[in-house]
Amino acid sequence: NAGVMQNPRHLVRRRGQEARLRCSPMKGHSHVYWYRQLPEEGLKFMVYLQKENIIDESGMPKERFSAEFPKEGPSILRIQQVVRGDSAAYFCASSPMGQGHGYTFGSGTRLTVV
Amino acid sequence: GIQVEQSPPDLILQEGANSTLRCNFSDSVNNLQWFHQNPWGQLINLFYIPSGTKQNGRLSATTVATERYSLLYISSSQTTDSGVYFCAVEWGEDAGGTSYGKLTFGQGTILTVHP
Repeated sequence: NAGVMQNPRHLVRRRGQEARLRCSPMKGHSHVYWYRQLPEEGLKFMVYLQKENIIDESGMPKERFSAEFPKEGPSILRIQQVVRGDSAAYFCASSPMGQGHGYTFGSGTRLTVV
Repeated sequence: GIQVEQSPPDLILQEGANSTLRCNFSDSVNNLQWFHQNPWGQLINLFYIPSGTKQNGRLSATTVATERYSLLYISSSQTTDSGVYFCAVEWGEDAGGTSYGKLTFGQGTILTVHP
């Protein structure tokens, strides 16, 4: 079991470009969560998805950010027209039952906007 | 929303020392977890502990849910214990009355262990 896989590990984008972050959950996990960690801060919840459904996106910025978890393939967090303030570490976690037990985090994607 | 406060914000130890990290939360929670973020940024789940006491090697944790706090004990600290320790709580329910794993994190305790 390879764990939660996130790629890329590091991503550099110029202002105005698009960033796509991928997350493959652990085998058998159908619940995916995305968190953002700004420099010197704790992690903040962004969105919770199940296959083909967004369950809770209360932590997502209203503009430029979107997430999906298709029937086949990884979950994608997409940031359009990136700005410097989007520079952060983005972590994905998965769980088997949509509860805290069994929560496993990926290694994160560190986005730098230049 | 719920407030999660951790103390101390920073802690510096000599190898071999013991320490206690605290996490206070402002409302009833469904679950509580402790995580270690190592210097490479990886988040490792240490304990899933909604109540009671658990031990894993040199680490142990206690959650007193009725008094809304949790403690993480590190004994005989090692340099590899350095990093940030986060407490995270799961609270609230969806429209169907199910807790679904959304975590609220504290700001963390930065631990540095010197040889």
